[in-house]
Amino acid sequence: GAVVSQHPSWVICKSGTSVKIECRSLDFQATTMFWYRQFPKQSLMLMATSNEGSKATYEQGVEKDKFLINHASLTLSTLTVTSAHPEDSSFYICSARDWGGMRPYEQYFGPGTRLTVT
Amino acid sequence: KNQVEQSPQSLIILEGKNCTLQCNYTVSPFSNLRWYKQDTGRGPVSLTIMTFSENTKSNGRYTATLDADTKQSSLHITASQLSDSASYICVVSSNNAGNMLTFGGGTRLMVKP
Repeated sequence: GAVVSQHPSWVICKSGTSVKIECRSLDFQATTMFWYRQFPKQSLMLMATSNEGSKATYEQGVEKDKFLINHASLTLSTLTVTSAHPEDSSFYICSARDWGGMRPYEQYFGPGTRLTVT
Repeated sequence: KNQVEQSPQSLIILEGKNCTLQCNYTVSPFSNLRWYKQDTGRGPVSLTIMTFSENTKSNGRYTATLDADTKQSSLHITASQLSDSASYICVVSSNNAGNMLTFGGGTRLMVKP
C-alpha cells in the first residue's frame, strides 16, 4: 500500500514554455502533499507544502508564481513550472502524507520527474 | 537551526563487504529518524524508521541504530550487493505542528564487483 506515482517520469521542454507534473496517491487519500526538487549529487530540497483544497505554502526563495501548485483532490496534486528556463532543469519529487492511515506521519515519495529545459 | 549531517559523502566498497554510514542530527523536538535508499533517477524508498525509544531496527541486510542521547544514527549494510549502489539519505522528523522533515546530504555508495 501507500503508493505514490508521478507523471511524466521525464520531460524535455523548450525555454519559455510551461510544464505540468502530476503527483497521485494511488491507494490512499493524501490530505497533504509535498514538492521537492533535487539537483545532481544533492539532497532533496522542499519547495512547497500543499493541503487539499487550500493554497500551497512555499519555502523561502521559491517563487510561487513560477511554480504553481494545485491540490484540488485528495489523490492528486500538480506542479506547473511556468515559463521554464534551463536553470529550472532538475529532478522534481513529490511525497504524500496519509493522515488517515496506520502511519499518519509517514511521507511516501513518488518516483520523481526529470525536467530538462533546452 | 535543524540540521542533519551525514558521513562519509561517498564510499566505494567491494561486493560482499560490510559498511556503516553515519548520521548526526540537531533536530528538536525529535519525532523520528528515517533512512532512505535512493537509486539514481528514482524517488527515495524507506528502509527504516525509528522513534525515540528504539535503539536498533533491521530490514534485511540493513540495520539502523539510534542513540537519542548523542543524536547519532548509523546504517549498517551487511554482505553488500551491486544493487546496494545508491544514495542513502538520513531524514529526521521534528515533532512540531507540521512534522517537517530535515534531510541529510546523503551518502553515495558504490559497490564494485
